[in-house]
Amino acid sequence: DAEITQSPRHKITETGRQVTLACHQTWNHNNMFWYRQDLGHGLRLIHYSYGVQDTNKGEVSDGYSVSRSNTEDLPLTLESAASSQTSVYFCASSAQQDNTEAFFGQGTRLTVV
Amino acid sequence: GQQVMQIPQYQHVQEGEDFTTYCNSSTTLSNIQWYKQRPGGHPVFLIQLVKSGEVKKQKRLTFQFGEAKKNSSLHITATQTTDVGTYFCAGERWGSNYKLTFGKGTLLTVNP
Repeated sequence: DAEITQSPRHKITETGRQVTLACHQTWNHNNMFWYRQDLGHGLRLIHYSYGVQDTNKGEVSDGYSVSRSNTEDLPLTLESAASSQTSVYFCASSAQQDNTEAFFGQGTRLTVV
Repeated sequence: GQQVMQIPQYQHVQEGEDFTTYCNSSTTLSNIQWYKQRPGGHPVFLIQLVKSGEVKKQKRLTFQFGEAKKNSSLHITATQTTDVGTYFCAGERWGSNYKLTFGKGTLLTVNP
């Protein structure tokens, strides 16, 4: 069965360190998205991609970057982790068709200390 | 930018009572989707509404899309403890190319 997986599921890192969160999907979806979820804010879009070599900034992109070298993966990098980036991160993918249902990964809980 | 407001933020009900959450967009939408997130889980797609005035039902859940395609609601009849979770609406604006703007969600708790 197709799926979308995130790793690690939990991570604790120190302020200033570079951190990369992995997202891998086997749906063969062109669209991939990264969200962060914080209490009181819902899901906020960080970065997204419509295909290989395509990346775009979302509403809360400062301090984050992504790259899309193949269809399956969209890793999210925190260039210099800050305590404000402590959050739960969700990756999602969707097809480029009328039914744009998004499939979410299990999430990564990141704590920056 | 586009905003999607969702109310209420929290709702606590007795098992068997009905529940409704409302979603309102600042711009006209091409479609609206609803997701459910169980505590500790990830958002799971429930439904997509595309047409003006559309109403769809899934067992005890009724979804509506407003005539102006700017608002939507999710109604649960006779809640059960399995309905516990956060319900999100997510709107896709015309020309946004599959990009969804999520409401902040409504956390539903059910007292057995």
